[in-house]
Amino acid sequence: AQKITQTQPGMFVQEKEAVTLDCTYDTSDPSYGLFWYKQPSSGEMIFLIYQGSYDQQNATEGRYSLNFQKARKSANLVISASQLGDSAMYFCAMREVLTGGGNKLTFGTGTQLKVEL
Amino acid sequence: DAGITQSPRHKVTETGTPVTLRCHQTENHRYMYWYRQDPGHGLRLIHYSYGVKDTDKGEVSDGYSVSRSKTEDFLLTLESATSSQTSVYFCAISRGQGASETQYFGPGTRLLVL
Repeated sequence: AQKITQTQPGMFVQEKEAVTLDCTYDTSDPSYGLFWYKQPSSGEMIFLIYQGSYDQQNATEGRYSLNFQKARKSANLVISASQLGDSAMYFCAMREVLTGGGNKLTFGTGTQLKVEL
Repeated sequence: DAGITQSPRHKVTETGTPVTLRCHQTENHRYMYWYRQDPGHGLRLIHYSYGVKDTDKGEVSDGYSVSRSKTEDFLLTLESATSSQTSVYFCAISRGQGASETQYFGPGTRLLVL
């Protein structure tokens, strides 16, 4: 079974600084995908970034980058130049292919990030 | 996401009553999902659909049923609501194919079972 572990329940960062949110995973599948989602206090789930297990380079999307270390089974999210609007809960998730097609996401328990002035 | 709506957005109900939540998408996606979110658990898959009338169970399906009679609508029914089903329910669709397939979520439904 797949498992996602996020060991930081809460993190603080000062505005304009970079922050790393940790995510480790466990799977026996050779092919998998890793995702990060943001959940602000308003409650919606917002897709941020994706990394495939066969991707040679770390994924980047604007101020978000994914530090993918396959041998260590880690997929940490790096947010550069933090902004007040980055304050939210962040979830790491892993994709598992379902029997009928489509994908199931297995989520970690999340990290609450607060950006301070 | 503008292409996915959920109704109702909030609901309070009593134990033992049936409840139906609706997910509607406007983009003709084949795959649709229902998750629940509880503190300390992230999101967990309840049921999913891979086409009209094609559905299957996820990891927390007990007490729930689903139906999909049209591509655009995926209904989640709590047959006899219990307090343990108090949760936030998210619908999702998949965009893209293969390795790039990504799930996008609706705005969520907050359900309180008294």
